[in-house]
Amino acid sequence: ELKVEQNPLFLSMQEGKNYTIYCNYSTTSDRLYWYRQDPGKSLESLFVLLSNGAVKQEGRLMASLDTKARLSTLHITAAVHDLSATYFCAVYHSGGGADGLTFGKGTHLIIQP
Amino acid sequence: GAGVSQSPSNKVTEKGKDVELRCDPISGHTALYWYRQSLGQGLEFLIYFQGNSAPDKSGLPSDRFSAERTGGSVSTLTIQRTQQEDSAVYLCASSAGTGFPKNIQYFGAGTRLSVL
Repeated sequence: ELKVEQNPLFLSMQEGKNYTIYCNYSTTSDRLYWYRQDPGKSLESLFVLLSNGAVKQEGRLMASLDTKARLSTLHITAAVHDLSATYFCAVYHSGGGADGLTFGKGTHLIIQP
Repeated sequence: GAGVSQSPSNKVTEKGKDVELRCDPISGHTALYWYRQSLGQGLEFLIYFQGNSAPDKSGLPSDRFSAERTGGSVSTLTIQRTQQEDSAVYLCASSAGTGFPKNIQYFGAGTRLSVL
């Protein structure tokens, strides 16, 4: 059974600081997704990482994937309040349910002015 | 439609009642997924449809849960004899198909179910 673990599950940080969210998974995968969810809203797709060493950046967010370590990171640079949300990683595993996506529990991020 | 639409957005029901949750996927999307999000938990996969067929029903928590999809479009998730532990946000997603990039899932805003 594929397990996806995110940490931290809750993070409160100040504007202007840098921080990293980690996503570990238990079985081989070469595809990982990051989603953002605002309270009461849909999940919004942020990044799709397809191969070992993949790095994608959008504004103050940068995601990377290390398939050998079974680890993805979401790095936040100089955080701003608008980035407050819950962030989920989801790992693709062939043969799994829902076309192979297994989600982590999410990281609830609060950025304080 | 422009996005995945779910209704109702909120549902309060009494224990033992049946509820129906509706999902209208993005037009043309052949795959449709149901998830449950409980307080403090991640997204728990329930069921997915490819067209009108549900190849994987393994996530349904009990036989009180069922889902159908007709016409390759709208899907209904039915919970019979609701229990308090069924209280959660039920999320629906759709994708253009299987295999990347078609399998990127787009989510609706969810239905918040409260069982009293």
